[in-house]
Amino acid sequence: AQKVTQAQTEISVVEKEDVTLDCVYETRDTTYYLFWYKQPPSGELVFLIRRNSFDEQNEISGRYSWNFQKSTSSFNFTITASQVVDSAVYFCALSELAYSGAGSYQLTFGKGTKLSVIP
Amino acid sequence: GAGVSQSPRYKVTKRGQDVALRCDPISGHVSLYWYRQALGQGPEFLTYFNYEAQQDKSGLPNDRFSAERPEGSISTLTIQRTEQRDSAMYRCASSPGLAGADTGELFFGEGSRLTVL
Repeated sequence: AQKVTQAQTEISVVEKEDVTLDCVYETRDTTYYLFWYKQPPSGELVFLIRRNSFDEQNEISGRYSWNFQKSTSSFNFTITASQVVDSAVYFCALSELAYSGAGSYQLTFGKGTKLSVIP
Repeated sequence: GAGVSQSPRYKVTKRGQDVALRCDPISGHVSLYWYRQALGQGPEFLTYFNYEAQQDKSGLPNDRFSAERPEGSISTLTIQRTEQRDSAMYRCASSPGLAGADTGELFFGEGSRLTVL
């Protein structure tokens, strides 16, 4: 069985502060994908990143960066110089590749971390 | 269409009624997924299709839930004899290719919020 734990339920930061959202996962598979999604107040789910379990390189995209540590089963997300527009619920998710003729994205989501950026 | 479209956006129904939720994926997307999201929780996988074939329905809670995608495009999630515990946001997502063969992005719709009284 797979599981994703986001221990931080809510975080508040002041604008321009850096913030890290933690994600710890459990899986018995050696091949899997990890995801981060953003859910702003408007309710849609916005894809941020997918990482393959074979690729432990950290990734940076503008103010966003991701730290994948296979040894600790963690995939943490850092926002640098936070902005009010970053206020949202952020979900970490895991997908084990289930081949039924083809792979699938049967994502297991964490419960989410609500980030509030205060101006 | 430009994005994944779901209808209705909001549905209020009485316990025992049947409901049908529709998903129109991005044109040409091969894979279509249904998720359910309870308040304060992350989305939970229900079922998915590659083209018109339902590949996995292990996430459907019970036999009151069913889904179809007869022509490999629009999909309908049907809940029969609704119960209060079925109240949730039902989200549809699509992806352009088969998993592992694309960028990995699932495009989610805005969801259908179901309230069962």
